[in-house]
Amino acid sequence: DAKTTQPPSMDCAEGRAANLPCNHSTISGNEYVYWYRQIHSQGPQYIIHGLKNNETNEMASLIITEDRKSSTLILPHATLRDTAVYYCIVLYNQGGKLIFGQGTELSVKP
Amino acid sequence: NAGVMQNPRHLVRRRGQEARLRCSPMKGHSHVYWYRQLPEEGLKFMVYLQKENIIDESGMPKERFSAEFPKEGPSILRIQQVVRGDSAAYFCASSPGASGGYNEQFFGPGTRLTVL
Repeated sequence: DAKTTQPPSMDCAEGRAANLPCNHSTISGNEYVYWYRQIHSQGPQYIIHGLKNNETNEMASLIITEDRKSSTLILPHATLRDTAVYYCIVLYNQGGKLIFGQGTELSVKP
Repeated sequence: NAGVMQNPRHLVRRRGQEARLRCSPMKGHSHVYWYRQLPEEGLKFMVYLQKENIIDESGMPKERFSAEFPKEGPSILRIQQVVRGDSAAYFCASSPGASGGYNEQFFGPGTRLTVL
């Protein structure tokens, strides 16, 4: 599975959009980009995933570059409850383990 | 639809005792995963099971750890002769498999194991 690179931490003002970047330059053609988050001490929570096209759901939007070497998770209106560690994971959509890196610790501030 | 359930939520054991952690997947999910999070560290995959089968145990320590997912009942992660280094949060996740997406894994609240 491809390796990902994320900034270790980011701050965001409450109510503003949070844009979390992820580099995955070695991604292969049939690997998906998944995003999870872990709010302090809780179990991780699935957010969104995509292959080539941009995706949007009730939680977030996922923007994948045309060459698929990077992506951005967008929380359109961040709230204090969005403070968490966000993980970008690249893998085949065929089941199996999630490999969690260090993630990005997002702090949403009032 | 209840989420993934884990019990107990907190477990205290003395060195040398056995720890049994239980995980009930979401209804309709046939795939179960176990992850461990040591204090101040990231989440690490341990084992992936389907009903009555271990699919991938590449993250399981070679000794003292075992896992099962029987035809009936919850998945069990068993740690024999616990040591202080086993103190961690153990998370279980489930997914529906091929029909509903393999990697949308739904996590339980975790079991915090403390070894005295």
